[in-house]
Amino acid sequence: EPEVTQTPSHQVTQMGQEVILRCVPISNHLYFYWYRQILGQKVEFLVSFYNNEISEKSEIFDDQFSVERPDGSNFTLKIRSTKLEDSAMYFCASSGQGVGDTQYFGPGTRLTVL
Amino acid sequence: KNEVEQSPQNLTAQEGEFITINCSYSVGISALHWLQQHPGGGIVSLFMLSSGKKKHGRLIATINIQEKHSSLHITASHPRDSAVYICAVRSRAAGNKLTFGGGTRVLVKP
Repeated sequence: EPEVTQTPSHQVTQMGQEVILRCVPISNHLYFYWYRQILGQKVEFLVSFYNNEISEKSEIFDDQFSVERPDGSNFTLKIRSTKLEDSAMYFCASSGQGVGDTQYFGPGTRLTVL
Repeated sequence: KNEVEQSPQNLTAQEGEFITINCSYSVGISALHWLQQHPGGGIVSLFMLSSGKKKHGRLIATINIQEKHSSLHITASHPRDSAVYICAVRSRAAGNKLTFGGGTRVLVKP
């Protein structure tokens, strides 16, 4: 069964460093998402992406964050200058052809900022 | 006020018991999702509902749009059902993004 994959599974970085989290969505999906979950808290929406542009973003998704689909398969989340409070699990998700389709989640990347 | 509230926060059951998890929401929605989060952190989509009832194996999800309420039932629970179950809604006003509840931690003891 097709699945969303994410790399790396765990990333440790120093405060102020840039990180890029990578996702490979399901191949025929058109909608892509990033969510994050700070330890012990709810999952929160960051951004959605469709047709090579951001379709929605939350207040969390400030200028430190950016997303890209650099080729036909990868979908990346970049954090330019990480802060301690960026430590969280980051989930990528994708959904199919229609706006209302089920979202399929990747296994997550645990980001630890020291 | 949280847009999505789940109850209970924690639930312990004996193997074989019937489990119900509740989700209430305060906004008009176009769909509601039930998700399962494993101890390792991964999230699996169980159901997406916009009306009525869906069943998959031992899992049943129902939604009452008028009452803004959904339930997830696990019949004949098993220790492998131990996980966090999360309700998430897609509001009509908010495009495709999901708003999540806080999750219900379920522990099924053998």
